[in-house]
Amino acid sequence: DTGVSQNPRHKITKRGQNVTFRCDPISEHNRLYWYRQTLGQGPEFLTYFQNEAQLEKSRLLSDRFSAERPKGSFSTLEIQRTEQGDSAMYLCASSLGLAGPYEQYFGPGTRLTVT
Amino acid sequence: DAKTTQPNSMESNEEEPVHLPCNHSTISGTDYIHWYRQLPSQGPEYVIHGLTSNVNNRMASLAIAEDRKSSTLILHRATLRDAAVYYCIRGLPFNKFYFGSGTKLNVKP
Repeated sequence: DTGVSQNPRHKITKRGQNVTFRCDPISEHNRLYWYRQTLGQGPEFLTYFQNEAQLEKSRLLSDRFSAERPKGSFSTLEIQRTEQGDSAMYLCASSLGLAGPYEQYFGPGTRLTVT
Repeated sequence: DAKTTQPNSMESNEEEPVHLPCNHSTISGTDYIHWYRQLPSQGPEYVIHGLTSNVNNRMASLAIAEDRKSSTLILHRATLRDAAVYYCIRGLPFNKFYFGSGTKLNVKP
């Protein structure tokens, strides 16, 4: 257990439905990252936050994806109108950011299956 | 854009040292070299990172070439629990990471 929790751990949804995932980082960590991982591939960067500010979004993140981190604590990742291609493991990580140490601590992930 | 090159897979015997290579020939002067590993059904886990000098911690050692274009992760005595996918990443330590496909390490008893 790294101290980063993600809920739910598994989500099965039908194409076209909206889903929301939650990530609770280690409490003193001010950086929070979202990655997506498909089978046999390494994680792909999606977006990251410094406190409540979203600093960068990957071009992989279509308009159907939105992420928030209100008050700089937990974060949510919402996917609207899900497609089968959205099926993947969604990973959240947190770190102390500029102050260091710099390790990113990953949660166990949320596995999304779109049918 | 991962910008590192690693072998797809490697095999080792239990209790023997393992040297996992990584090529990062286009590394910039401010990029660190990070290693993470991912055990089956888990999120990635930090292993070690360095900038120019060789680094040691309780998990592994990191040997960085003098020109910084390559590095080697060294597991001194592989155990069955070290079987995982190992990712070599270059980048600023407090920034997003670009993972490649990594090296899948198989440890034989």
